[in-house]
Amino acid sequence: TQLLEQSPQFLSIQEGENLTVYCNSSSVFSSLQWYRQEPGEGPVLLVTVVTGGEVKKLKRLTFQFGDARKDSSLHITAAQPGDTGLYLCAGDDTNAGKSTFGDGTTLTVKP
Amino acid sequence: DSGVTQTPKHLITATGQRVTLRCSPRSGDLSVYWYQQSLDQGLQFLIQYYNGEERAKGNILERFSAQQFPDLHSELNLSSLELGDSALYFCASSSTGGRQPQHFGDGTRLSIL
Repeated sequence: TQLLEQSPQFLSIQEGENLTVYCNSSSVFSSLQWYRQEPGEGPVLLVTVVTGGEVKKLKRLTFQFGDARKDSSLHITAAQPGDTGLYLCAGDDTNAGKSTFGDGTTLTVKP
Repeated sequence: DSGVTQTPKHLITATGQRVTLRCSPRSGDLSVYWYQQSLDQGLQFLIQYYNGEERAKGNILERFSAQQFPDLHSELNLSSLELGDSALYFCASSSTGGRQPQHFGDGTRLSIL
């Protein structure tokens, strides 16, 4: 059973376009992390959100944590080829005593 | 550079064999986490150590074991290897004992022939 569902699984867009990827669950998380992973490398932590409704911005990336702390979104404005990679979300489920990664969204930004 | 060092980068071995993967956490980090990443299962949490003690256990097989030493480096031992154990194994570290890692190494690619 996949605790965290990410959508879409694959996304291919042109440079300059905007996009949103989603991370959804039926569980409530005490915190949620977003990572980006490039081929041949380990995931790199982008952001941690902990409060329901929280919005964090990292340059052209905007992260939102759902009010009920069950879901999150990542919006990228004016995507660039350097944004290409696998975007992973991970949720910390305190009640279950576990932390889980989603399967990720593979983003390709074409020049 | 995350500061997390994993060795070796690549490992090729045969079924039934035993291997040891090594991880040095980022300087100052007390937690070490091990993950397995395969194409069909994504990133799966195996085990976490905090300051030498086991903190959390995930989907780690009985054939696998790990430990964290006094100098905080960690080793993951995989024995009686099967074809399905072929995967990328990542080590990550964190300054806290929380369940979420902050810094990942670049992984060890294990291929079982």
